[in-house]
Amino acid sequence: EVQLQESGPGLVKPSQSLSLTCSVTGYSITSNYWGWIRKFPGNKMEWMGYISYSGSTSYNPSLKSRISITRDTSKNQFFLQLNSVTTEDTATYYCARSEAAIPFAYWGQGTLVTVSS
Amino acid sequence: NTVMTQSPTSMFISVGDRVTMNCKASQNVGTNVDWYQQKTGQSPKLLIYGASNRYTGVPDRFTGSGSGTDFTLTISNMQAEDLAVYYCLQYNYNPWTFGGGTKLELK
Repeated sequence: EVQLQESGPGLVKPSQSLSLTCSVTGYSITSNYWGWIRKFPGNKMEWMGYISYSGSTSYNPSLKSRISITRDTSKNQFFLQLNSVTTEDTATYYCARSEAAIPFAYWGQGTLVTVSS
Repeated sequence: NTVMTQSPTSMFISVGDRVTMNCKASQNVGTNVDWYQQKTGQSPKLLIYGASNRYTGVPDRFTGSGSGTDFTLTISNMQAEDLAVYYCLQYNYNPWTFGGGTKLELK
């Protein structure tokens, strides 16, 4: 059974970088697509980007200058880095896995990141 | 960007009701629309993919329909366990975009 688990700091200061890890068990990240999604306070959801089985990436243009998604296949983990954060980046961050043509078939439990000084 | 407009934003329902919620895309997205259920404190769960295909293990009281710009999620015989926020997602155009959600609450 595939499981995804997000981890990282719960508090980040404005102007710093947000870095999260998604640890995957039960499935290799060298298959399928692996994405990041966030949910803001008040229910709005935003797709941030994904990394493919080959390591290619696609990002939401609204974040393109600040976001980077990378991976470590030896640890079966992929990562989110978001630079120059502001309080508007406060959200619950989820990692997810695709299945066939379905973008987000499996989700992690999510991790709340608060941007505050 | 493709805007996904969900309606209504909230609904007060009773157990046993038939519930219908809508998602309207600002441009033609074909059938590249999924529906998700998110209960309080949980991560989103996939219900419907490709506009009308029920995902593995999803009860058959959940039905998705539509194509192009107009999509519907119907819950027949609403159960208390179905209280949640429901989201649509289009993945026909980059960036993939979510609707604002429909929250189901008990009367």
